[in-house]
Amino acid sequence: DAKTTQPPSMDCAEGRAANLPCNHSTISGNEYVYWYRQIHSQGPQYIIHGLKNNETNEMASLIITEDRKSSTLILPHATLRDTAVYYCIVRVVDGGATNKLIFGTGTLLAVQP
Amino acid sequence: DAGVTQSPTHLIKTRGQQVTLRCSPKSGHDTVSWYQQALGQGPQFIFQYYEEEERQRGNFPDRFSGHQFPNYSSELNVNALLLGDSALYLCASSLVGETRADTQYFGPGTRLTVL
Repeated sequence: DAKTTQPPSMDCAEGRAANLPCNHSTISGNEYVYWYRQIHSQGPQYIIHGLKNNETNEMASLIITEDRKSSTLILPHATLRDTAVYYCIVRVVDGGATNKLIFGTGTLLAVQP
Repeated sequence: DAGVTQSPTHLIKTRGQQVTLRCSPKSGHDTVSWYQQALGQGPQFIFQYYEEEERQRGNFPDRFSGHQFPNYSSELNVNALLLGDSALYLCASSLVGETRADTQYFGPGTRLTVL
């Protein structure tokens, strides 16, 4: 079973920041938080991951709470092309022995014009 | 830099037939994982191949089998197809290493329809 809880859907106005929450209250100390998104009928796209520090790349920012029990993915200026299902996944990173991804149902983000 | 590629894009089979799906990993990657995604659900892990051997397996029957070749490409075989095998089959590649976060990158998928 997935170790994360996400709202099933969210709306966001085009040009505004989209903040997608994820709860992972049972996360272990050696588990990372990963975010992927999937645009309709395409393969999931890697967005970002982090362990305990906040992370930023060209696509998004990841804010992890100090107790690591929840996180927020931030898309700073959402566009219509950001409409997708966003998956939050926790997993151990240990050189690959246990690196399967366990997907939940994700959050369907609808960016409105 | 070539990403993950999969073939074919779409496939239609009938119940009882066998199917082979193919995946070429991202350049520089050595590990291939396969996932099944039924309509409206998140992807489910089938198995993973590393050094030409199955290293992990999800909760899928033996009808699902795979292979990895010396060039790291991989095949997924499904025998005795059932209607419930209709799904999007996804391949993901990664690089295993002691200090590298082995992020998985997905291909576009193969849409299998079983009639």
